[in-house]
Amino acid sequence: DAKTTQPPSMDCAEGRAANLPCNHSTISGNEYVYWYRQIHSQGPQYIIHGLKNNETNEMASLIITEDRKSSTLILPHATLRDTAVYYCIVTYGQNFVFGPGTRLSVLP
Amino acid sequence: GAGVSQSPSNKVTEKGKDVELRCDPISGHTALYWYRQSLGQGLEFLIYFQGNSAPDKSGLPSDRFSAERTGGSVSTLTIQRTQQEDSAVYLCASSLIRYSGANVLTFGAGSRLTVL
Repeated sequence: DAKTTQPPSMDCAEGRAANLPCNHSTISGNEYVYWYRQIHSQGPQYIIHGLKNNETNEMASLIITEDRKSSTLILPHATLRDTAVYYCIVTYGQNFVFGPGTRLSVLP
Repeated sequence: GAGVSQSPSNKVTEKGKDVELRCDPISGHTALYWYRQSLGQGLEFLIYFQGNSAPDKSGLPSDRFSAERTGGSVSTLTIQRTQQEDSAVYLCASSLIRYSGANVLTFGAGSRLTVL
């Protein structure tokens, strides 16, 4: 079973920041938080990952709370192409379990 | 190649036939995963290979499903006596395991299987 809880769906206006939450209250000390997304009819795409510190790359930012029990993926300026299902995964090593994710709809 | 390659991209077969799906991982990636995704559903783990270790087959739904990885590179997922409920997109992913750090999976585009 997935160790994470995400809202099933969210809407975001084009050009605005999309903030996708994820709860992982049972996370262990050595487990990473990963985010992937799946655009319709494609394989999942890696976005970002983190352990304790906040992370930023060209796609997104990842904010992890100090107690590590939750995190937020931030897409700073959402575009229509960001419409996808976003998966938050918590794991160490090889065991990747995908939950149902959050279906993000970016609206014009 | 630069990414994970899967073939065929689409396969239509008749119930009861056997099918083989192929995955070419990224060169040098030691870990290889198979998932399947039924229409409108999430990703279901099937099997995991890591180097020369015994594969984790815990996700295979029945003994009609098997997979092998030859030479630590290419993998083949075989479904025998296909059933209509086997219709799904079969996704392959590979990664370079870093035991002391993160493990980032790269997915292929998938093989869409339709069993008539």
